[in-house]
Amino acid sequence: AQSVTQLGSHVSVSEGALVLLRCNYSSSVPPYLFWYVQYPNQGLQLLLKYTTGATLVKGINGFEAEFKKSETSFHLTKPSAHMSDAAEYFCAVSDNGGSQGNLIFGKGTKLSVKP
Amino acid sequence: DGGITQSPKYLFRKEGQNVTLSCEQNLNHDAMYWYRQDPGQGLRLIYYSQIVNDFQKGDIAEGYSVSREKKESFPLTVTSAQKNPTAFYLCASSTLSGAQETQYFGPGTRLLVL
Repeated sequence: AQSVTQLGSHVSVSEGALVLLRCNYSSSVPPYLFWYVQYPNQGLQLLLKYTTGATLVKGINGFEAEFKKSETSFHLTKPSAHMSDAAEYFCAVSDNGGSQGNLIFGKGTKLSVKP
Repeated sequence: DGGITQSPKYLFRKEGQNVTLSCEQNLNHDAMYWYRQDPGQGLRLIYYSQIVNDFQKGDIAEGYSVSREKKESFPLTVTSAQKNPTAFYLCASSTLSGAQETQYFGPGTRLLVL
């Protein structure tokens, strides 16, 4: 069965600092991996996803993530944090063991950005 | 504009009452999903549907029911059997299941118990 672990339920950075949000997955088949962002009391918005091909994936708002099969990781990074990046971030793996493509989510990491 | 709408934004349930959450999409997506979100728990799948008149239970289906009579609509009923219904409920849709397909989310409905 697939699973996702996000290390750190809360991460705090200063404005302009590097953002690093960690995600490790478990999957018996080649995974499809996603990062979503959620602002307070809103739905989720896709930041980026990895399916096949290039392991460094660029997304919206300057975020990127690198798929590392050997480390079973898909960490999310942004070189310079902005106040507007404060939100909750979810890593997810697609359950492609069947045909449904259902997403399995991590518990989320709340990012705070200090001025 | 294409998208997913959920209504109401806030919903209050009394003891023993069934309530229905609406989810409509105009993206022409075949697959639709309902998730429950609790603080610190991430999202958990309640039900999903890949085609009209068919749906499957997710990880936490007990106390919930759904219908899929139209492609655009996937309402969720929280029944009186759900003893802890207070949560944020999110509806999503995607083109017909491929594991790589992106799920698009609605704005959510917050359910509170009176």
